[in-house]
Amino acid sequence: AIQMTQSPSSLSASVGDRVTITCRASQGIRNDLSWYQQKPGKAPKLLIYAAYNLQSGVPSRFSGGGSGTYFTLTISSLQPEDFATYYCLQDYSYPRTFGQGTKLEIK
Amino acid sequence: EVQLVESGGGLVKPGGSLRLSCAASGFTFSNYNMNWVRQAPGKGLEWVSSISSSSSYIYYGDSVKGRFTISRDNAKNSLYLQMNSLRAEDAAVYYCARDITAMVSGFDYWGQGTLVTVSS
Repeated sequence: AIQMTQSPSSLSASVGDRVTITCRASQGIRNDLSWYQQKPGKAPKLLIYAAYNLQSGVPSRFSGGGSGTYFTLTISSLQPEDFATYYCLQDYSYPRTFGQGTKLEIK
Repeated sequence: EVQLVESGGGLVKPGGSLRLSCAASGFTFSNYNMNWVRQAPGKGLEWVSSISSSSSYIYYGDSVKGRFTISRDNAKNSLYLQMNSLRAEDAAVYYCARDITAMVSGFDYWGQGTLVTVSS
């Protein structure tokens, strides 16, 4: 199975900061990666698919990049509603695998 | 409006069985691959199983293979997960989720989840 290593596991930042979360795949997955935001007690929400495509309705301050084994999720200017846990998911092959998550907290 | 509504969760003893359902509405269910994803209390997301639109292709995670069975009824717009030989480590919120399209992967719609508790 492809292992997805997400970093950091937690991150403290302030409103207005630019933050980047990374996800590394144990083998090449082309650009078959998606990013999700999850708030406590809620279902995950798709932010980015196919590495860099912004899901409809998601603010443009979210962006994705990378291909192969290295991927990034960047939030250009943090808003109060962005404090949540973020996950990557490789969509390249089965079993599909999530990263372990990055908890983004208010500094 | 796309809606996915899970049901069937509850308390079950170790070794027991449970069948989860996911009722879909607001889209042509038979055109989409569907998935189950779970989340143990305080833990991250774990992909469980996927089924193609016509049930031709089915996949399972190693932790549930041989114990869980995914199925769908396109006439009823419903997705199912039959869970047998349940273990304490299967306790989680179970979500059904839709793939974006047959050609583009990623889970664009999720249900609210149904809680499975495994305890004697």
